[in-house]
Amino acid sequence: GENVEQHPSTLSVQEGDSAVIKCTYSDSASNYFPWYKQELGKGPQLIIDIRSNVGEKKDQRIAVTLNKTAKHFSLHITETQPEDSAVYFCAARVNDYKLSFGAGTTVTVRA
Amino acid sequence: GAGVSQTPSNKVTEKGKYVELRCDPISGHTALYWYRQSLGQGPEFLIYFQGTGAADDSGLPNDRFFAVRPEGSVSTLKIQRTERGDSAVYLCASSRGLGEGYTFGSGTRLTVV
Repeated sequence: GENVEQHPSTLSVQEGDSAVIKCTYSDSASNYFPWYKQELGKGPQLIIDIRSNVGEKKDQRIAVTLNKTAKHFSLHITETQPEDSAVYFCAARVNDYKLSFGAGTTVTVRA
Repeated sequence: GAGVSQTPSNKVTEKGKYVELRCDPISGHTALYWYRQSLGQGPEFLIYFQGTGAADDSGLPNDRFFAVRPEGSVSTLKIQRTERGDSAVYLCASSRGLGEGYTFGSGTRLTVV
């Protein structure tokens, strides 16, 4: 099955700086790569996603890049704010329904 | 409804007991998914429903776990003879259809003592 690795496991950044989280996947057939933000006591919330026919996607302060050849994708958060503090998960989907998640990155934005 | 609703939000049960976890998906979403999230880990796939039928139950860990969706909307995850290792957050998600993005509920935190 699909195996997704995520780094780093924790990330502390100064408010206003950028945060980058990287993921690799194993199955070259994966075609959809969402990113989720999870706050304490809540379910994961989709923040951005990218499909395999696109190399980059941006939505305000967040962007995702995908390198199919290297089988890795990254989340970039610019101008971080305290409300960006949360656990972030990357995921990959091979078929049309099953997501394989990374282990998560705990992001702390220091004021 | 506006979002995916899961009840109860917390459940504490004794080892060996039977539990049921409920999921109300977003109205009109035909696809429904159950995932399990252990502490410090990402969610792991359990089962996927398209309509009333379980299209893929390959993630259910053993035959103590069972899920139903009799009318194609609400789903119930059932765990028999609970074990301490079943303690986790059980997440439900729904989507408009195959290949669409998920919306997750807030989960049920199950603790087996």
